[in-house]
Amino acid sequence: AQSVAQPEDQVNVAEGNPLTVKCTYSVSGNPYLFWYVQYPNRGLQFLLKYITGDNLVKGSYGFEAEFNKSQTSFHLKKPSALVSDSALYFCAVRDPGIYNQGGKLIFGQGTELSVKP
Amino acid sequence: SQTIHQWPATLVQPVGSPLSLECTVEGTSNPNLYWYRQAAGRGLQLLFYSVGIGQISSEVPQNLSASRPQDRQFILSSKKLLLSDSGFYLCAWKTGLSYEQYFGPGTRLTVT
Repeated sequence: AQSVAQPEDQVNVAEGNPLTVKCTYSVSGNPYLFWYVQYPNRGLQFLLKYITGDNLVKGSYGFEAEFNKSQTSFHLKKPSALVSDSALYFCAVRDPGIYNQGGKLIFGQGTELSVKP
Repeated sequence: SQTIHQWPATLVQPVGSPLSLECTVEGTSNPNLYWYRQAAGRGLQLLFYSVGIGQISSEVPQNLSASRPQDRQFILSSKKLLLSDSGFYLCAWKTGLSYEQYFGPGTRLTVT
């Protein structure tokens, strides 16, 4: 079955330190991968995507993600964390099913990022 | 630019009452539209999606239904709410050319 895993429920980082939020996937074929961020009581905001090409993808707000095919991972990174980065982060993969005409996404369970000053 | 609206922002309804949540998208044509529910502030559950007017696909059998009466309008309904229907309801859209979905601000539903 196609799936996305975010192995950490919570990640704690000090402001100014680099941050990593982990994501692994299991899908057939080439994965289309996404990261979203959600602030409390708000909708999800799209951060970045990997479809093809360079394994290092740059996105909004200084975030980037590295696609690693051999490790089936797509970890989200930022060189220097801000307190305002504290939020819930979701990894997602496009459902590769041949009947997925609707472009459905499979989401991970989310990782709560807490950045302390 | 494209924008997505959801209303109401919050709703408190008694068990057994009907429900109607609305989502509209501006600035695009023939989008794919999606309804998700997020319970307990975490995982997203896809409820319905639509690739065109009158075309609705249901992902989870339950007492909710969806309709798409116009190209950029998506409605989530229920005839009788259950306590378990409480949650944060999110509408999303994407164009036929893109892969990523864009989410609305959400509706917080509390069933009492």
